[in-house]
Amino acid sequence: QTVVTQEPSLTVSPGGTVTLTCASSTGAVTTDYSPNWFQQKPGQAPRALIYNTNNKHSWTPARFSGSLLGGKAALTLSRVQPEDEADYYCLLFYSGNPMFGGGTKLTVL
Amino acid sequence: EVHLVESGGGLVQPGGSLRLSCAASGFTFSSYWIHWVRQVPGKGLVCISRISPDGGFTHYADSVKGRFTLSRDNAKNTLYLQMNSLRVEDTAVYFCARGTASKPGVDYWGQGTLVTVSS
Repeated sequence: QTVVTQEPSLTVSPGGTVTLTCASSTGAVTTDYSPNWFQQKPGQAPRALIYNTNNKHSWTPARFSGSLLGGKAALTLSRVQPEDEADYYCLLFYSGNPMFGGGTKLTVL
Repeated sequence: EVHLVESGGGLVQPGGSLRLSCAASGFTFSSYWIHWVRQVPGKGLVCISRISPDGGFTHYADSVKGRFTLSRDNAKNTLYLQMNSLRVEDTAVYFCARGTASKPGVDYWGQGTLVTVSS
């Protein structure tokens, strides 16, 4: 049973920087897993932020960036704004089959 | 502008059936993979099914395999998720989402439709 693991919760101060990670139970995450990242606020549908590890959609704010870090996919938020408080989900593809991580609840405090 | 609109959710008894629809607009529907993702209220996102652009390939999560059937009508720009033998644990918000054009990924999402399975 493949499991994708994210930090359950993180807290960051406004203006600060935070990195969320996404690990695979199968081993190191590589670009082959085509990591995607999504933001979801209460009562809303998810919104795509990053695809194929580090590519931004046209609507993705510049302060969001994706990378690989220590065998995991990573989403870094710089100059965090209060409106960045949300749940964040990573998505990995295993030979084309998508699997979400459990999500990280980001608190801006 | 890309739009995905789900419909068909509602209250159904255990063992019952429901058909969800996902109406697409603003893009060439027949060129894209479409995914169904569900979310139990207060919980995380789970991929349950996906379908190829021409409808020739479908994949299902083990939790719905044999009970759910995904199909598409490219002439109508619409996707259908037929859900049979529904269980209480199928209660969730169901989202359809468009696959990205090149590398595996998901970009646009619908607003979701709530399915409640309860007696």
